[in-house]
Amino acid sequence: EDKVVQSPLSLVVHEGDTVTLNCSYEVTNFRSLLWYKQEKKAPTFLFMLTSSGIEKKSGRLSSILDKKELFSILNITATQTGDSAVYLCGSGGYQKVTFGTGTKLQVIP
Amino acid sequence: NAGVTQTPKFQVLKTGQSMTLQCAQDMNHEYMSWYRQDPGMGLRLIHYSVGAGITDQGEVPNGYNVSRSTTEDFPLRLLSAAPSQTSVYFCASSFAGGRTYEQYFGPGTRLTVT
Repeated sequence: EDKVVQSPLSLVVHEGDTVTLNCSYEVTNFRSLLWYKQEKKAPTFLFMLTSSGIEKKSGRLSSILDKKELFSILNITATQTGDSAVYLCGSGGYQKVTFGTGTKLQVIP
Repeated sequence: NAGVTQTPKFQVLKTGQSMTLQCAQDMNHEYMSWYRQDPGMGLRLIHYSVGAGITDQGEVPNGYNVSRSTTEDFPLRLLSAAPSQTSVYFCASSFAGGRTYEQYFGPGTRLTVT
């Protein structure tokens, strides 16, 4: 059975701090590692990491994939209150994605 | 494009009642999925479809039926609602053959079974 574990479960930081969210995975047929941000409603896509693309960056957010140790991290630098959300990590392909429980990030002014 | 739409937004059912959650997408995506999200459990896959006429079970399929008669629509049927099915349900779609496995999620349906 595929398994994705995220840590920490929740995190409170001050604006301007840097945070690191963790995701470990055990899957039988690795296709990709996906990061989503979920505010009040639907998750929105952040990054996809694969065997051929193990590092992604977009503005203050970046993510890496360690294929040997089977984990990924999501880094957010210079956090803002708008970064407050649940961050979901999942592993899978087109039709089947196994998600972790998410990390709830709260950024306080 | 409306993207992925879901109706209703909220629903309250009594135990034993049946209902259908609607999901539609206008992006011509081949793949569609249904997830439920419970506190502390993340997103769990209920059923998915790789195209019209083709569906398969996910991680937690019991108590739910799906069908896919068109590319656009992927309804989820609760046959006999139970309190354990109280949850937020998300429909998602993705494009086969794209460069990413990105899924586009609908806004969700919050279901309460009493």
